[in-house]
Amino acid sequence: GAGVSQSPRYKVAKRGQDVALRCDPISGHVSLFWYQQALGQGPEFLTYFQNEAQLDKSGLPSDRFFAERPEGSVSTLKIQRTQQEDSAVYLCASSTTGGSGYTFGSGTRLTVV
Amino acid sequence: AQSVSQHNHHVILSEAASLELGCNYSYGGTVNLFWYVQYPGQHLQLLLKYFSGDPLVKGIKGFEAEFIKSKFSFNLRKPSVQWSDTAEYFCAVHGSSNTGKLIFGQGTTLQVKP
Repeated sequence: GAGVSQSPRYKVAKRGQDVALRCDPISGHVSLFWYQQALGQGPEFLTYFQNEAQLDKSGLPSDRFFAERPEGSVSTLKIQRTQQEDSAVYLCASSTTGGSGYTFGSGTRLTVV
Repeated sequence: AQSVSQHNHHVILSEAASLELGCNYSYGGTVNLFWYVQYPGQHLQLLLKYFSGDPLVKGIKGFEAEFIKSKFSFNLRKPSVQWSDTAEYFCAVHGSSNTGKLIFGQGTTLQVKP
């Protein structure tokens, strides 16, 4: 597609539920990033893929967060046993090479109740 | 640790006023610098970027930014704002030793009154 597509746009989860957030990057984009944006804050880095390889996961806040990109295109961010502090907008971005300027998706707004 | 600081959290201007949004970063090495804009209900979009060369960078929609290495700053400017510039603005830095991740500032909300 023409842009980065994320689904769902909105997700409400009960505390303790598992959620899966999907990102479809721009076709051919090698690099894929996930960011977390809390209300009133700038996006914070979670993890980075180059093709199917997860090269940096230093931003994942706990072992409840897991990301994958098995075929080097679509990526899924999974959050297990969601907690209220996980409520945020989760942004996906892709680029041809890291650092050259990214295209961001519209994000998934996760609300944990 | 790398960080980005945006001094103004909320700016209110009248149309045709001049704009300058401050951005300072802390990183000792070579950096790439970005300004992103997020219009209401839309995704983050790249306004402009600096990698090397002329420290005065021109972006879309009449925006420009100046990289001042000695001050670790990358301020965003526009001579005359329009109501349609109402949005949130984020400064971001990418360090050359990074894997490509961006470090963002907290953002500045710009409200332009017609």
